[in-house]
Amino acid sequence: QVQLHESGPGLVKPSQTLSLTCTVSGGSISSGGYYWSWIRQHPGKGLECIGYIYYRGSSYYNPSLMSRVTISVDTSKNQFSLKLSSVTVADTAVYYCATGLNPRPDYWGQGSLVTVSS
Amino acid sequence: DIVLTQSPGTLSLSPGERATLSCRASQSLRSSYLAWYQQKPGQAPRLLIYAASSRATGIPDRFSGSGSGTDFTLTISRLEPEDFAVYYCQQYDRSPGYTFGQGTKLEIK
Repeated sequence: QVQLHESGPGLVKPSQTLSLTCTVSGGSISSGGYYWSWIRQHPGKGLECIGYIYYRGSSYYNPSLMSRVTISVDTSKNQFSLKLSSVTVADTAVYYCATGLNPRPDYWGQGSLVTVSS
Repeated sequence: DIVLTQSPGTLSLSPGERATLSCRASQSLRSSYLAWYQQKPGQAPRLLIYAASSRATGIPDRFSGSGSGTDFTLTISRLEPEDFAVYYCQQYDRSPGYTFGQGTKLEIK
C-alpha cells in the first residue's frame, strides 16, 4: 500500500515561499495513472484542493491559487513537491499530500501544519 | 465549478442509531464520481466510499453510499463509538480539479 509523508518548515514568514515535499513509499511515483495531489485545510475548516500533477506531467492548479503555485515531481527521489509563493496569514493551514488513480485522493499523508507569521 | 452542499451541518445521534448524511451537487455528476471521507481530529481524511456506492478497502459494511445525479447519501446503519467524526463528500467528475463539501459533523448525543 502506498504511504505518503509530508516534510518542510512549519513556520514561514509573510511574502516568502512555502515549500513542502511529499515522500512516497510502497510504490513508484513513476507508475502510470496516478494523480499526485496537494490539499490544504485551514484551522477548523474544510478541505481545499490546491492542485495535482498527473503522471504524464500535466498538472492542474486551483484557479484561486494558480498564480502562486507550482507542483513538481522528482522521480529519482520518489517525491513530489509544493511551492506556494507570496504567502500571507491566510495560507496558514494543514497541508496534505495525497494520491489516487483518479483525481480522487485514496491515500493521504498525515498532514503538515504550516503557520505563516512574522 | 460544481458546489457540493452537505446537510445537516451537525448530526447528534447515539451509538446504535442509524445516520443519514446528505450531499447535493449544483450540477449533475456524470458517472457518479462522488466519494465520501471520514476525518477524525488530528488525522487525515480516510476514503470510505467511491463512485457513489463502492466501499473502499477495509471499510465496514455498516457504511453504505447511494444516489446519482445531484443527490447522494452516506448511511451508517448502526453507529459505533468510533464513527463519530466529520464526514466530507467530494466530486471528481468534472476534471480538471475536484471539490469537497463543507462537511457534516457527527457527534454523540
